[in-house]
Amino acid sequence: QKEVEQDPGPLSVPEGAIVSLNCTYSNSAFQYFMWYRQYSRKGPELLMYTYSSGNKEDGRFTAQVDKSSKYISLFIRDSQPSDSATYLCAMMRGGNNRLAFGKGNQVVVIP
Amino acid sequence: GAGVSQSPSNKVTEKGKDVELRCDPISGHTALYWYRQSLGQGLEFLIYFQGNSAPDKSGLPSDRFSAERTGGSVSTLTIQRTQQEDSAVYLCASSPVRGASQPQHFGDGTRLSIL
Repeated sequence: QKEVEQDPGPLSVPEGAIVSLNCTYSNSAFQYFMWYRQYSRKGPELLMYTYSSGNKEDGRFTAQVDKSSKYISLFIRDSQPSDSATYLCAMMRGGNNRLAFGKGNQVVVIP
Repeated sequence: GAGVSQSPSNKVTEKGKDVELRCDPISGHTALYWYRQSLGQGLEFLIYFQGNSAPDKSGLPSDRFSAERTGGSVSTLTIQRTQQEDSAVYLCASSPVRGASQPQHFGDGTRLSIL
């Protein structure tokens, strides 16, 4: 079993819809949770960075972490065509800086 | 520029050749990481440098892979006797200081194709 599971299936939504993405993980030592956005032929770009359980909001983006269920989510409100990209969840243990990534979700927002 | 810089952006080479990939981290960032992104595999950790400490090489897939970081700045990832399964995007990231509270910032990667 991989440390981080992210259903890699593509997701197509109409413009203005809410996009919901999630990852599960198996290692309870993970304390720091991230979402990266990756455009085609570009490197991952940090979107959200959270520590332990709870919610964090930044503009149209909300990240949620539920450590008891080992489950993290990213919500994108009022989705735009420019949000079309691959979204990667990532996490790391305290004191260990290597990131463990999910496989990524390709999101397409249709105008 | 202000971001992580990687070169070359693309590299095509024949099986069995050696390749060198370069990473120039964000100025002032003491931690540097290499990852590999393969189709269907996601991003896999390769190696981590922090200041003058011994690097964490635990993610290197074989002894054909090596990396060095000179002067605490630029890093080179070397793959010897390349194989077709080495084809992937090699990504470099850096972060400001040691400590899990610092997020990693990525370059755009080197797309390596082994013929």
